[in-house]
Amino acid sequence: SQQGEEDPQALSIQEGENATMNCSYKTSINNLQWYRQNSGRGLVHLILIRSNEREKHSGRLRVTLDTSKKSSSLLITASRAADTASYFCATDAGGSQGNLIFGKGTKLSVKP
Amino acid sequence: ETGVTQSPTHLIKTRGQQVTLRCSSQSGHNTVSWYQQALGQGPQFIFQYYREEENGRGNFPPRFSGLQFPNYSSELNVNALELDDSALYLCASSSGLAGGRAQYFGPGTRLTVL
Repeated sequence: SQQGEEDPQALSIQEGENATMNCSYKTSINNLQWYRQNSGRGLVHLILIRSNEREKHSGRLRVTLDTSKKSSSLLITASRAADTASYFCATDAGGSQGNLIFGKGTKLSVKP
Repeated sequence: ETGVTQSPTHLIKTRGQQVTLRCSSQSGHNTVSWYQQALGQGPQFIFQYYREEENGRGNFPPRFSGLQFPNYSSELNVNALELDDSALYLCASSSGLAGGRAQYFGPGTRLTVL
C-alpha cells in the first residue's frame, strides 16, 4: 500500500526557476526521505528529515516537514536541466526494519 | 568504495518460469532490501535481509523468496512467474538495520514476463 502521495504528479519548469513538490502521508513516522530517480533507473537518496526536525537543507535542496499536517515539501532552487527526474518521498515507520513506503512520485521536467 | 550493483540489467521470461536476480551491496553494508517498482508507480517493499536472516517482509506471496550470503550479497527468486511480475526490481543496501537510515539503491533489473 502507498503511504505517501506526491503532488503534483508532473511539473514542467524552465531552467533557473524553483521547483516545489509536496508529499502527504497517513500515519506517524520516525523520518521521511526524498529520493530522485532518472529514467527508470535506481533511486538516489537526496535527504532525510527526522520527525523532530522542521527544515533541512542540502545544497540547492530544502525540505520541510510538518508532522501536524502529515506533510513535507521539497524545494529545488535554481533548477537545471540535469534535475529532470522523478522525485519520491518515502516514509519510514520505524522499528529495526526501516522499510520505506514510497509514494507514486512527481515527474519533474526542467526545460533548458 | 563500490556502490550497489545488480545483475542482470534486463531479463525476459515467460509465464510460469522461475527467475533469480542478484545484488551486491555497497562495501561495508550488511543489510539488503528488495523492492518491486511497476511502471508509473513508486517502489514497493518485498523483503529485507540482515546478516543472512530475513528481517521483515512486505505484502508479497511466498513465491517471492530470497537469500543473503556471508559477503552480504543477496538473491531474489521468483517462482511461477505471472504477467504482473513485470517490473523494475531494485535492491538497496544500508549499514546496520535500515531503520532511520538512508538506503543506497542499485540500478535495478528490468524483468519482462511474456
